[in-house]
Amino acid sequence: DTEVTQTPKHLVMGMTNKKSLKCEQHMGHRAMYWYKQKAKKPPELMFVYSYEKLSINESVPSRFSPECPNSSLLNLHLHALQPEDSALYLCASSQQAGYTEAFFGQGTRLTVV
Amino acid sequence: AQSVAQPEDQVNVAEGNPLTVKCTYSVSGNPYLFWYVQYPNRGLQFLLKYITGDNLVKGSYGFEAEFNKSQTSFHLKKPSALVSDSALYFCAVRDKGHSSASKIIFGSGTRLSIRP
Repeated sequence: DTEVTQTPKHLVMGMTNKKSLKCEQHMGHRAMYWYKQKAKKPPELMFVYSYEKLSINESVPSRFSPECPNSSLLNLHLHALQPEDSALYLCASSQQAGYTEAFFGQGTRLTVV
Repeated sequence: AQSVAQPEDQVNVAEGNPLTVKCTYSVSGNPYLFWYVQYPNRGLQFLLKYITGDNLVKGSYGFEAEFNKSQTSFHLKKPSALVSDSALYFCAVRDKGHSSASKIIFGSGTRLSIRP
């Protein structure tokens, strides 16, 4: 199994809503990542978890809250988002942070209205 | 800080011709370099990496890349392009730091268009 599964694939939410994005991998990887990607732009790193601990937070606004319940799961909790937060949110995992290639999920297309 | 540059926003190639997508890097120490491909509305797929060893790295789907230390380049190549190779290609580098705080930094991307 070389898949990273993200749910939902599409999400529309209002600025007062609370929602969560979910990511799952069963490759035994110990590093997991959240990226944000705007159209025709490269992915921008948001968070890195290494061995289930948050190791990098790229100064992401607190309306984005990551959670790593166990080594296979990664969540991104969303609250009070702005329309400019609309983007493709990508989850990825790798054996270790940075040294090895990352496997990406298909992403969640988020629209904030 | 580590960085990669992709000087071409778009590359157009006829099917069957060789293709090259350019990438240059700026790193301190030994570079860890990657190429990824992204199809429309999809996540990124890993193509190949250079960590150490042979300068010519072979990857998925017939792609290869040549690490050139003197020119600080890591260009992606394929001998014969397919229409299905049309996609967005990203060069990436590992940012220097402790492994638990290490991250991958992506270039701006190059759109490859293969015409039949």
